[in-house]
Amino acid sequence: GDSVTQMEGPVTLSEEAFLTINCTYTATGYPSLFWYVQYPGEGLQLLLKATKADDKGSNKGFEATYRKETTSFHLEKGSVQVSDSAVYFCALSLRGFQKLVFGTGTRLLVSP
Amino acid sequence: NAGVTQTPKFQVLKTGQSMTLQCAQDMNHEYMSWYRQDPGMGLRLIHYSVGAGITDQGEVPNGYNVSRSTTEDFPLRLLSAAPSQTSVYFCASSSTGAPGVTQYFGPGTRLLVL
Repeated sequence: GDSVTQMEGPVTLSEEAFLTINCTYTATGYPSLFWYVQYPGEGLQLLLKATKADDKGSNKGFEATYRKETTSFHLEKGSVQVSDSAVYFCALSLRGFQKLVFGTGTRLLVSP
Repeated sequence: NAGVTQTPKFQVLKTGQSMTLQCAQDMNHEYMSWYRQDPGMGLRLIHYSVGAGITDQGEVPNGYNVSRSTTEDFPLRLLSAAPSQTSVYFCASSSTGAPGVTQYFGPGTRLLVL
């Protein structure tokens, strides 16, 4: 079936460090890909998305590139802040459907 | 514009009790969904609706009922709560069913079934 695999957390970094959170997917069709972020005590918010191969989504200094050849959508940020501490979810949505398939989430902890 | 709202924020139930989790959106979105979030499992789809009067099952529908009488509201009903339904529940909505469209999530309802 369709699935999303994320790296296990927590990821612990110091402020201004470089961040990578890996995400790979398996899908029967040609999905759209998303990163959602969940701050403590809140619901999920869309961080960025990409709808076709080689597209790069970006927002708030975060980036992810849709790599069809490696079925990946890794999240990166050049310099993390304490305020980036949250749980990050990779997700896919298949053509013709609005249902999202989520990964298990990766918790990011950034210390000063 | 309140977006997606959910009530209550937190609820404790005893096994066998029933309750309804409320969800409303003011964005005139056709698509609405219910997810549950469990540790180590991400979010899983319970039920969804593509418009008023139309609902369908998701990945984990057992033990839950839904209805969609208006565009704005999409309540989730637990008829006889079980400890396995202890979870955080999120409602989401989107304007269309296109694959790249953004889903907007509510703040969640934390449910504890004793």
